[in-house]
Amino acid sequence: SAVISQKPSRDICQRGTSLTIQCQVDSQVTMMFWYRQQPGQSLTLIATANQGSEATYESGFVIDKFPISRPNLTFSTLTVSNMSPEDSSIYLCSVLAQTGNYGYTFGSGTRLTIV
Amino acid sequence: AQKITQTQPGMFVQEKEAVTLDCTYDTSDQSYGLFWYKQPSSGEMIFLIYQGSYDEQNATEGRYSLNFQKARKSANLVISASQLGDSAMYFCAMRGRTQGAQKLVFGQGTRLTINP
Repeated sequence: SAVISQKPSRDICQRGTSLTIQCQVDSQVTMMFWYRQQPGQSLTLIATANQGSEATYESGFVIDKFPISRPNLTFSTLTVSNMSPEDSSIYLCSVLAQTGNYGYTFGSGTRLTIV
Repeated sequence: AQKITQTQPGMFVQEKEAVTLDCTYDTSDQSYGLFWYKQPSSGEMIFLIYQGSYDEQNATEGRYSLNFQKARKSANLVISASQLGDSAMYFCAMRGRTQGAQKLVFGQGTRLTINP
């Protein structure tokens, strides 16, 4: 299955600032996804990162707050903009590849705390 | 719309006992897949088991088995001979193909605690 490197693993940020999370995959993948997991909650899909075009956002998530880039088939970034304490969450990158785990692999997550 | 429901927020089980984690789902798709993931305190998502909607036999992976009852739209995870290391959050998820999308939708999760 695909191997994902997600960075940073954790960070503590000041409110009002922005943080960019990186997701690097060791092979070309068809689809990449970004999830948010608020404390004690389940995973909620933020958006699907599309190679060469704008990401597809889920209801309740907007590009201005969570801009996403995907310049090629192995790399994507998620930026959390103008952060507030409510953005304190685990952010996870996931990919859908052709083999392994019936397609889906997750990064190790970024644990983000806003102070 | 697809929906996954896990009605057990927390479960406490004695070591070496079997445990069943409940999952029901709702979808209008004919083709779908059901997944179970384990999330330890470290936060990583560990794939456990998969069941396709057209699979006639229940999936098994070592100590994990999936009790798939399609008519009842349930996909319960059974862990046999539980171990202390099984203590974690467990998520049921479903993949559908609505409008070409292959997104995973997750349930609320069940926190499993194994007592020695």
